[in-house]
Amino acid sequence: AQSVAQPEDQVNVAEGNPLTVKCTYSVSGNPYLFWYVQYPNRGLQFLLKYITGDNLVKGSYGFEAEFNKSQTSFHLKKPSALVSDSALYFCAVILTGGGNKLTFGTGTQLKVEL
Amino acid sequence: GAVVSQHPSWVICKSGTSVKIECRSLDFQATTMFWYRQFPKQSLMLMATSNEGSKATYEQGVEKDKFLINHASLTLSTLTVTSAHPEDSSFYICSARKARGGSGANVLTFGAGSRLTVL
Repeated sequence: AQSVAQPEDQVNVAEGNPLTVKCTYSVSGNPYLFWYVQYPNRGLQFLLKYITGDNLVKGSYGFEAEFNKSQTSFHLKKPSALVSDSALYFCAVILTGGGNKLTFGTGTQLKVEL
Repeated sequence: GAVVSQHPSWVICKSGTSVKIECRSLDFQATTMFWYRQFPKQSLMLMATSNEGSKATYEQGVEKDKFLINHASLTLSTLTVTSAHPEDSSFYICSARKARGGSGANVLTFGAGSRLTVL
């Protein structure tokens, strides 16, 4: 069965510092990988995706993620964090041919402080 | 861009009553919509896949008679929580896929969610 793991429940970063939110995946085929962000009492907003091609994917709001097949990881990164980046971040995976059924990680709460 | 509207955003009801939540794709047609449930500080759990013009496909462990899904048109899917009880209190989120090809392929657009509280 496909799955994604987000090993950190919470990540704290000072504003202006780089941030990383970790994600590892486990699938038997070729994965489609996604990052979504959720603000309090809101739905999810799409940040970026990896389907194929370049391993480094750039997304919304200055975020990027690197697909690493050997480490089965897809960590989310941003060079300089903002307080407004504070939110809940979800990594998700779809198997090719999986009919768009997203499997989500448990989420990582990002807190950016002044 | 793709917009999904979900209504109501908040609903409080008495135990035993039924509640309907609507999910609309405002500027695109969606043959497939997805319904998720999210508990506090937890991930999203896929409940069912809503297919326009046909029966919904429910995930294992989700009671289809409890959570009725109707996908009446290409822009509207509804989730009805029947005979709601306090344990049904949760955050329900719908999503829809905009397009089969192009840069939007495989990207789901989510509604803002509906928080249900059953007293």
